[in-house]
Amino acid sequence: GIQVEQSPPDLILQEGANSTLRCNFSDSVNNLQWFHQNPWGQLINLFYIPSGTKQNGRLSATTVATERYSLLYISSSQTTDSGVYFCAVERANAGKSTFGDGTTLTVKP
Amino acid sequence: GAVVSQHPSRVICKSGTSVKIECRSLDFQATTMFWYRQFPKQSLMLMATSNEGSKATYEQGVEKDKFLINHASLTLSTLTVTSAHPEDSSFYICSATISGTDTQYFGPGTRLTVL
Repeated sequence: GIQVEQSPPDLILQEGANSTLRCNFSDSVNNLQWFHQNPWGQLINLFYIPSGTKQNGRLSATTVATERYSLLYISSSQTTDSGVYFCAVERANAGKSTFGDGTTLTVKP
Repeated sequence: GAVVSQHPSRVICKSGTSVKIECRSLDFQATTMFWYRQFPKQSLMLMATSNEGSKATYEQGVEKDKFLINHASLTLSTLTVTSAHPEDSSFYICSATISGTDTQYFGPGTRLTVL
């Protein structure tokens, strides 16, 4: 099956700092999503981004499908950004997603 | 929009009992729903894919007779953990996709503890 690797596994930031999270995948995909899992376990959709660049407030994401990676940028981080960030990819006609192991982000005040 | 609910949010049961978890899409129709399992500090593991009106497709290693899935309508899927044992204790999460799209929307999860 497709392999999904996220880096770094853990990241600790001071409030106000910027960060970049990476997701590498081993095969062509037609669907890639970034999620934030909050401390209560709820997964929140951040981006649906199989290719290209999107921005939503302090967050932005870029997927370079031909090179099989995606980046999630968090600017001016806040303590509420803490949690686990997952990317999930889906190959064409697979009908299901494969999740990476996540990046655990801790933002300190 | 695209809200998914799960019930119950937390359940504690004795070993040997069965537990049913409901997953509902509140404001959209979901042709496909997914059930995941997540152990502490680990990623989500897909258990099965549930399509309305047909049998669920289980991932390799997931026991069909232990984890019964029923997708009775376009807004409801249920997961029943039969004869639960302590090793079944986990966080169970469902997701649903809006018909015709690939975007998954997740429920808040159900934390199951089997004593």
